[in-house]
Amino acid sequence: DVKVTQSSRYLVKRTGEKVFLECVQDMDHENMFWYRQDPGLGLRLIYFSYDVKMKEKGDIPEGYSVSREKKERFSLILESASTNQTSMYLCASSGYTEAFFGQGTRLTVV
Amino acid sequence: AQSVTQLGSHVSVSEGALVLLRCNYSSSVPPYLFWYVQYPNQGLQLLLKYTSAATLVKGINGFEAEFKKSETSFHLTKPSAHMSDAAEYFCAVRMIKAAGNKLTFGGGTRVLVKP
Repeated sequence: DVKVTQSSRYLVKRTGEKVFLECVQDMDHENMFWYRQDPGLGLRLIYFSYDVKMKEKGDIPEGYSVSREKKERFSLILESASTNQTSMYLCASSGYTEAFFGQGTRLTVV
Repeated sequence: AQSVTQLGSHVSVSEGALVLLRCNYSSSVPPYLFWYVQYPNQGLQLLLKYTSAATLVKGINGFEAEFKKSETSFHLTKPSAHMSDAAEYFCAVRMIKAAGNKLTFGGGTRVLVKP
């Protein structure tokens, strides 16, 4: 069974902290994505990566960075967390057609 | 850039009634199209996909969708709703040669099933 695993289901962080969200996939996919999900806004793409060490900005990259040192792992970094980054974060990976999603990380910044 | 519009952020249906969720996309070239379902506090699960083969696509849990190029639509239907269908549904589009195969999502439709 294919799997995308996010390291945490729930996180609570303080304003100004550096936050790391980790995602691992076991499907040998080239492409990986980070989305954030907010009520009424659907899923918005933050960053994606189509190869190791390659990354591209999505629709809402401000305040975020990413790292992809190995093919199976894609990390989302909040350099200095702010309350407006409180959200559900979803990682996905894809091969040629559909994307597979992790369970999500619900991040609360206080 | 492509966009996806889901008509209705909330839909309420009675158990046993037809479920119809609407999705329209904007693209000059037919893309790949997907429907995903999300149950509370979970990630997204693929229901079905259109990848330029048959225009009527059957998915899991009794759902199906029809691609209509002339209407730029990909509406999702299920003949008879079940209580377990209560969830949020997302339509998504990917251009066939999109960089990184990235998906663009609609705003989602939350389905409530009444007994």
